[in-house]
Amino acid sequence: SQQGEEDPQALSIQEGENATMNCSYKTSINNLQWYRQNSGRGLVHLILIRSNEREKHSGRLRVTLDTSKKSSSLLITASRAADTASYFCATSRTYKYIFGTGTRLKVLA
Amino acid sequence: EAGVAQSPRYKIIEKRQSVAFWCNPISGHATLYWYQQILGQGPKLLIQFQNNGVVDDSQLPKDRFSAERLKGVDSTLKIQPAKLEDSAVYLCASSSLAFGHYEQYFGPGTRLTVT
Repeated sequence: SQQGEEDPQALSIQEGENATMNCSYKTSINNLQWYRQNSGRGLVHLILIRSNEREKHSGRLRVTLDTSKKSSSLLITASRAADTASYFCATSRTYKYIFGTGTRLKVLA
Repeated sequence: EAGVAQSPRYKIIEKRQSVAFWCNPISGHATLYWYQQILGQGPKLLIQFQNNGVVDDSQLPKDRFSAERLKGVDSTLKIQPAKLEDSAVYLCASSSLAFGHYEQYFGPGTRLTVT
């Protein structure tokens, strides 16, 4: 069963704009990770945020976590055409990851 | 460092046939995962190994799927007999530690088409 659900399912923006996608999950977690998947590089880890953290940054990425609402958001600033991909959240409570359904992002040049 | 290797990259078989996938994880990674990703969905964990022991195989259809990790390094995933609904990308991943605290490194996947 899939724990996380990303929202929106699909997103189309212009290059240079910011992209925000959300992940909601159902049970308590130890950490949450975001992954990107495109045809060129496969599935790649972007960032990990632990349950006791509220916000993390990595380059143009900003992730927030609200454990009271069981939700996380991924913000990509100043998007580029190369950011076109599917983005998945993956939650972990014990020893395994459960991936969400993904957000398909398209960045138009 | 070399990434996770998988082979073959593509496979087309008829239903009721058998197929096997191979994975070589990143050197030194104790944990190995096999995922199934159906088109338009997120990856679903099939089985997780810690060294050569199984940590979780709760979503592995054991009547037709089997997996092994001999000597705690390479792993094979087998489907016998295949069904149409097994058409998917099979992803192998590895990580240095278990318990969900570290990132997973994914291989390129094997795209299986069952006709």
